[in-house]
Formats: sequence, C-alpha cells, structure tokens
Amino acid sequence: GAVVSQHPSRVICKSGTSVKIECRSLDFQATTMFWYRQFPKKSLMLMATSNEGSKATYEQGVEKDKFLINHASLTLSTLTVTSAHPEDSSFYICSANSGRALNEQFFGPGTRLTVL
Amino acid sequence: EDQVTQSPEALRLQEGESSSLNCSYTVSGLRGLFWYRQDPGKGPEFLFTLYSAGEEKEKERLKATLTKKESFLHITAPKPEDSATYLCAVQSGNYQLIWGAGTKLIIKP
Repeated sequence: GAVVSQHPSRVICKSGTSVKIECRSLDFQATTMFWYRQFPKKSLMLMATSNEGSKATYEQGVEKDKFLINHASLTLSTLTVTSAHPEDSSFYICSANSGRALNEQFFGPGTRLTVL
Repeated sequence: EDQVTQSPEALRLQEGESSSLNCSYTVSGLRGLFWYRQDPGKGPEFLFTLYSAGEEKEKERLKATLTKKESFLHITAPKPEDSATYLCAVQSGNYQLIWGAGTKLIIKP
C-alpha cells in the first residue's frame, strides 16, 4: 500500500515550452501532496504544498506563476513548469501523506526534466 | 532556527562491517523524525518514523534510535544492496518538514 506514481519519468523539452508532470496516489486518497525539487548530490527542496480543491501553498522563493500546481482530485496533483529554461532542469519529486499515520510521506519515483 | 544535520556526508564500509549514521537536529516542538532511503534517480523510500526520545524501530539490518537531540541509523552486517543515500527529516511543531542533506552509504563486497 501507499504507492505514489509520477509521469513522465523523464522529459526533455526545448526552452520556452511548458511541461506537465503528474503525481498520483494509487491505493489511497491524499488530501495533501507535496512537490520537491532535488539538485545533484543535494537534499530535497520543498517547492509547494498542494491541497485538494484549493490553491497550493508555495515556499519562499518559488515562483507560483512559473510552477503551476493543480490538485483537482484526491488522487492526482499536477505540476506544470511554464516557459521552461535550462535552469529549470532538475529532478522533481512528489509525495503524499498516506493517511495511515499523521506525518508519513510516501514519495513518487521522480521526474528528470532536461530543458535544452 | 530549525536545523537538521546529517553525518558523515559519505561512508564507505566493507560488506559485513557494521556502523551508524547520525542525524542531529534542533527544532521547536518535535512532531516526528523520519528516515528514508534514496537510490540514484529514484524518489525516497520510507523507512521509519520515530516520535519520542527513547523510541527504537527495526527493519531487517537497520535500526533507528532517537534521543532529544539526535537520531542514529544503525546498520548491522550490511550488504552491497544497502548502498544508497539515507535521508533524515524532522517535522517541527508547526508541521514544517526539515530535511538533512543525506549520508551516501557505499558497501563494498
């Protein structure tokens, strides 16, 4: 149980295009999902907290107009990187609270974004 | 300021050589401390949650312990497949999750 999937696992796009990443909780309902960014050999950087049916809460320094987050259902959250640039290239990971215990987050496998 | 520090940054062990990874924290109102394992190019995999000082949890060759200022992840007789980066995260009183930078563990056969 507590499986989280992400799609796509890898994406390469041209500078200026937009890319959408999906995060799904497969066997549980997640009222809250989290989006992280991870740089090589660095720890996770929380970008935003996504609550079903409401606007996402962004961390300081994260551009909400650049990283659009939608949490339309209890099992799906999406992150859209708009007008992507090479500096947006990174490993993006989502997670969700399982609901079985208050604090445990279960992570998706991540999406490697490369912007040319 | 809430902070989580993991040490060492990297650890190389021979297969079967037991050791411990450290996660030191300063946080206002600890709600929980979490250990995750992350393989290259993958998302973190949940290992343990510890809620209060004195608590211990075990899973196969791993054992996590917690005091009021740090947690240890003990690995007993490790195998090459235990090689990964181990991440520690602490949830503070305001529910914020603070992550350590991780310890890269390499087990040589």
